Amino acid sequence: KNEVEQSPQNLTAQEGEFITINCSYSVGISALHWLQQHPGGGIVSLFMLSSGKKKHGRLIATINIQEKHSSLHITASHPRDSAVYICAVRLQGGSEKLVFGKGTKLTVNP
Amino acid sequence: GAVVSQHPSWVICKSGTSVKIECRSLDFQATTMFWYRQFPKQSLMLMATSNEGSKATYEQGVEKDKFLINHASLTLSTLTVTSAHPEDSSFYICSARGEGTEAFFGQGTRLTVV
Repeated sequence: KNEVEQSPQNLTAQEGEFITINCSYSVGISALHWLQQHPGGGIVSLFMLSSGKKKHGRLIATINIQEKHSSLHITASHPRDSAVYICAVRLQGGSEKLVFGKGTKLTVNP
Repeated sequence: GAVVSQHPSWVICKSGTSVKIECRSLDFQATTMFWYRQFPKQSLMLMATSNEGSKATYEQGVEKDKFLINHASLTLSTLTVTSAHPEDSSFYICSARGEGTEAFFGQGTRLTVV
């Protein structure tokens, strides 16, 4: 079992829909990242969370440390949101390393 | 946010040759740089961690003589794939982290060995 599990693996939505991507982890962490990878491969860091909730534009990320679970929400989705969304955790203990989920491929149709 | 530039974005090379990939932090000092490899439909796998001025720390199973990493300055790290073979074809991506900052990712390099 992977230390970081994402669901769903693939997600297709219609433009305007509210989207939720989930991430569960089984290890102690110091921070959790949500990343966006476009078809060309480049990765953009969307959020870094250690508790609570963060919002940036149409994107909202939440984390529940007790339940070891995080969600990424996209409101009013748009075709340009189509990408792979990756959850990554930084392990506790001062580690520099990130452990990545396999990603969720999101396709938003017009 | 901070910018990490990776070059080239794609490269095709002949089997047996070496390829160098550069990763630069453009507007901050990267005390730590990370090199990842990503196979199709797989998650990123850490290859090595490098701190400026010291030898890189390689993950288990990564051949340090094949994947040479140099982090000679606070803004530049290089990954050289030596004697490349078709099985080395992959997507390589770097990330850089400064003191007290989160990691920022480069655009990635798609390597194809023919």
